[in-house]
Amino acid sequence: DGGITQSPKYLFRKEGQNVTLSCEQNLNHDAMYWYRQDPGQGLRLIYYSQIVNDFQKGDIAEGYSVSREKKESFPLTVTSAQKNPTAFYLCASKRVGQGTYEQYFGPGTRLTVT
Amino acid sequence: GESVGLHLPTLSVQEGDNSIINCAYSNSASDYFIWYKQESGKGPQFIIDIRSNMDKRQGQRVTVLLNKTVKHLSLQIAATQPGDSAVYFCAETLPIQGAQKLVFGQGTRLTINP
Repeated sequence: DGGITQSPKYLFRKEGQNVTLSCEQNLNHDAMYWYRQDPGQGLRLIYYSQIVNDFQKGDIAEGYSVSREKKESFPLTVTSAQKNPTAFYLCASKRVGQGTYEQYFGPGTRLTVT
Repeated sequence: GESVGLHLPTLSVQEGDNSIINCAYSNSASDYFIWYKQESGKGPQFIIDIRSNMDKRQGQRVTVLLNKTVKHLSLQIAATQPGDSAVYFCAETLPIQGAQKLVFGQGTRLTINP
């Protein structure tokens, strides 16, 4: 059963703590993405990775960090430097190649920081 | 700048009626567009896509229309069902550093009334 998994579904943290969100895919996709979604808003790109051991900043990378040590995994760390970390975080993956555009999304992790 | 927006944030239709969700985009360099459906607390699901060299594409109960002259995209859902209630996002793809970025609109919440 192929797909993208994100865990946990809900995460609660105290302000000032770093927290890492998991994203795993078994679709054999090369590219992976992290988005943030705020209530009533669209998705904004945090980081993306086209290949293992390489990643690029998206539109709102400040206060976040990622790693891509394995093809199937792209964890996101929300650091204490992120001013408003409470949000719904979505991970996506995509095949890389000519004419491939569709991104497949995971179920998301809702992070609440108090 | 790059942005994708929607004309209406909410839309209510009677079950069985047709619905039309609109989207305006601003970047004429985009060559591919996707409509996603997002149910509450879940990740977006692909509905239908269209390339910029087309002006219409049909799927099962859904049709996407693209008007490049006025940079307008629409999603038509025929014979709406309760399961169609969700937030619908349009997204355009833009090139970034050898990759493709999805730029999402804010979304339209579609409610199907019984």
